Amino acid sequence: LAKTTQPISMDSYEGQEVNITCSHNNIATNDYITWYQQFPSQGPRFIIQGYKTKVTNEVASLFIPADRKSSTLSLPRVSLSDTAVYYCLVGDDGNAGNMLTFGGGTRLMVKP
Amino acid sequence: EPEVTQTPSHQVTQMGQEVILRCVPISNHLYFYWYRQILGQKVEFLVSFYNNEISEKSEIFDDQFSVERPDGSNFTLKIRSTKLEDSAMYFCASSGDRESVRYGYTFGSGTRLTVV
Repeated sequence: LAKTTQPISMDSYEGQEVNITCSHNNIATNDYITWYQQFPSQGPRFIIQGYKTKVTNEVASLFIPADRKSSTLSLPRVSLSDTAVYYCLVGDDGNAGNMLTFGGGTRLMVKP
Repeated sequence: EPEVTQTPSHQVTQMGQEVILRCVPISNHLYFYWYRQILGQKVEFLVSFYNNEISEKSEIFDDQFSVERPDGSNFTLKIRSTKLEDSAMYFCASSGDRESVRYGYTFGSGTRLTVV
């Protein structure tokens, strides 16, 4: 499994765009990049998944450079309710049923 | 939006007692999982279940643990003889087939287990 490295914590203010970068130098050809969000005392929640270039949904954008050794989760105009831990996961999600390996995540604090 | 439902939300038990944590996965999902998170630590994989059998398990999932899908809707985790170190949040998750897995795994809100 590819190891991921992301900042332990980040601070931001309401209305700002937040970019959280994850490095995964040993990503394999079959690996996808997936981001989850976790609020205190709740289960992780899927945000976005990508393989290369850019993916956008109603919640976030995911930017993946050509070498795929890193990825950036972009949250537009954050609000206080975006305060959470964000996890970057790398794995062969093409195989349904694979276990997910969570790292320490990035603790995002959004301030008023 | 479909949800994974877990009961109870909190459970306090005495060391050595058996506990059963219950989950109702999303109805058309095929894969079911249990994860746990000790307070302040990472989310850890315990076990995955497919086609009525365990497909993968971690080192944490020893003989004290078992899983069962007793009917078409419930998925349970049993801890036979709880230890203090079993205190954690236990999350159930489910995922669909190979195509829908692109939308990630759906986790429940968890059961907080406290062993005293």
